[in-house]
Amino acid sequence: AQKITQTQPGMFVQEKEAVTLDCTYDTSDQSYGLFWYKQPSSGEMIFLIYQGSYDEQNATEGRYSLNFQKARKSANLVISASQLGDSAMYFCAMRVRAAGNKLTFGGGTRVLVKP
Amino acid sequence: DGGITQSPKYLFRKEGQNVTLSCEQNLNHDAMYWYRQDPGQGLRLIYYSQIVNDFQKGDIAEGYSVSREKKESFPLTVTSAQKNPTAFYLCASSIWDRGTRSPLHFGNGTRLTVT
Repeated sequence: AQKITQTQPGMFVQEKEAVTLDCTYDTSDQSYGLFWYKQPSSGEMIFLIYQGSYDEQNATEGRYSLNFQKARKSANLVISASQLGDSAMYFCAMRVRAAGNKLTFGGGTRVLVKP
Repeated sequence: DGGITQSPKYLFRKEGQNVTLSCEQNLNHDAMYWYRQDPGQGLRLIYYSQIVNDFQKGDIAEGYSVSREKKESFPLTVTSAQKNPTAFYLCASSIWDRGTRSPLHFGNGTRLTVT
């Protein structure tokens, strides 16, 4: 079975500073993908970034980067230069090819950006 | 613009009544999903469908039913057998491929309250 763990229920970050959100995963399969989603208070889920298990480079998308450490089974999200609009819930998720490609989510981390 | 439409945004029902949540997509995606989110928690998979006229149970299918008669539509029925139906329900769709790269695209959700 697949499992995603996000150990930080909530955190504060000062505007313009960087923040790292932790995510560890558990799977015995070799082919999988890791995703990060943002959920503002309005409720919609916004796709941020993807990392494949065979990707050699860490993924980056604008101010978002993924610190992928395969041996440690971690896929931490780094948000650089935080903005007030970054205040939201952030979810790490995993898709395992052998498990029908379903997306399994972690419990989320709430980020509040302080001005 | 392509996207996923969930209606209504808020839904109120009396205990013991079945209720159907609508989900329509015009992204031409093969796969569609239903997730449930409880306050402060991550998303849990209810049902998913890879092709028309076929669907599979997710992790918490008891008390729910779905149909997939058209590619664009994947309605979810919350039956009276569901013990705690009050929750936020999110519909999603994605390209169905053999890899893990395709992200899920989400609708804006339906908040169901049963009293």
